[in-house]
Amino acid sequence: DAGVIQSPRHEVTEMGQEVTLRCKPISGHNSLFWYRQTMMRGLELLIYFNNNVPIDDSGMPEDRFSAKMPNASFSTLKIQPSEPRDSAVYFCASLSPRTGELFFGEGSRLTVL
Amino acid sequence: GENVEQHPSTLSVQEGDSAVIKCTYSDSASNYFPWYKQELGKRPQLIIDIRSNVGEKKDQRIAVTLNKTAKHFSLHITETQPEDSAVYFCAASMRRETSYDKVIFGPGTSLSVIP
Repeated sequence: DAGVIQSPRHEVTEMGQEVTLRCKPISGHNSLFWYRQTMMRGLELLIYFNNNVPIDDSGMPEDRFSAKMPNASFSTLKIQPSEPRDSAVYFCASLSPRTGELFFGEGSRLTVL
Repeated sequence: GENVEQHPSTLSVQEGDSAVIKCTYSDSASNYFPWYKQELGKRPQLIIDIRSNVGEKKDQRIAVTLNKTAKHFSLHITETQPEDSAVYFCAASMRRETSYDKVIFGPGTSLSVIP
C-alpha cells in the first residue's frame, strides 16, 4: 500500500480564494481524521469520519471549513473563503482498526496571502 | 471531551542522558495511549503505545508507563542519540469493540539531543 496520500503538498493562495485539500486513506482503514498543525496550536483535530460518516466536527473552526467523505477511498477538506490565519499544515490520517495506529499523510502546507 | 496535557514543552539533554516526557489525560474512559515522533518537516509516526491493561511497556531504548488511577502516562528514552531530536506527541483514545474513538494529541515536546 502507498500509504495515506494527500494533495496538494503545497498550496499558496490569496485571501478570499477557495481551497480544496484531498486525501486518499489506506485501503481497509474505516476511520479518517483531518488535523491542522501550527506552531501555536499544535495538532488540532478538525473532524473525523467512521465508515464515511462524520462523527465529530467540533474542531472545525467555523462555517468556512467543510469536509466530505463521499466514499471509503476519498475525502476533501474545503476552506471557502480562505483567510491568512488558515495558513498551516493540514494532515489527513487513517486509522488501523486492528491496532489503533494512525497513519498520516505527508501533509498539505497551505499559505494564504 | 478528552483533554491531553504534556510537559515539558521543550527539553534539551546531552547525548547519552535520559529524557522523560509526561502527559495527563482527563477522560477516564480512555484506554489507549500512543506516542508519536515528528521529525522536522515530516509527518508524525507512531513509536510506541500502551493500553490500559498494562502499566509499562518497553521497546529497546524507549519505554512508556501508565498510571490509570492518576491519569498519567510517561515516555522514557534512555541513552539518547542525536537522531532522537524531534517533537514528541502523546495522545489518548478509546478502543471500542470494533473501532477506536477520536485520537486527541497533547501539545508536543520538542526534544533536542546535544552531541
